[in-house]
Amino acid sequence: DVKVTQSSRYLVKRTGEKVFLECVQDMDHENMFWYRQDPGLGLRLIYFSYDVKMKEKGDIPEGYSVSREKKERFSLILESASTNQTSMYLCASSPIYRGYEQYFGPGTRLTVT
Amino acid sequence: EDQVTQSPEALRLQEGESSSLNCSYTVSGLRGLFWYRQDPGKGPEFLFTLYSAGEEKEKERLKATLTKKESFLHITAPKPEDSATYLCAVRIQGAQKLVFGQGTRLTINP
Repeated sequence: DVKVTQSSRYLVKRTGEKVFLECVQDMDHENMFWYRQDPGLGLRLIYFSYDVKMKEKGDIPEGYSVSREKKERFSLILESASTNQTSMYLCASSPIYRGYEQYFGPGTRLTVT
Repeated sequence: EDQVTQSPEALRLQEGESSSLNCSYTVSGLRGLFWYRQDPGKGPEFLFTLYSAGEEKEKERLKATLTKKESFLHITAPKPEDSATYLCAVRIQGAQKLVFGQGTRLTINP
């Protein structure tokens, strides 16, 4: 079974803190994605990566950065957390030629106070 | 602008009461439509892929269909364990990424 794990299920941070969300997949997938999910807005793509050290902006990259130093690991960084970044963050991975067949992690619910 | 709209936002059914969920889309070049199921506190789980108008896919009590402008997820004789949020997504020509709808929250009462 494909497994995508995320470092925390719940996280509470203060405004202005630097926040790291980690995602690890064990299926040797080339593609990895970070989404945020908000009520009424659905899943919105923040960043994705199709190879080590490669990254592409998604639909809402502002206020976020990413890092992919190893194939299995994709990190989302909030340089200076703000209250409007309170959300559910979901990581996904997929094989390179089947980018639509995304396997999701359980999510991290981040609250910024 | 590429858009995916799901309706209704929420649907409550009695066990055994069949119904359909709708996903309408306006995209520049469709390269596939995908249905996911999401249980509370979990990430979405892939269900179906549809590529061309007229195509149908089935899995247990679920059947997904596709036209040129929308997709339906038909649920026949649902059970309480079918309760979940159902997400629709489209893949656009030339892109690896997906565009998701906002989801339909389905509740099946015993």
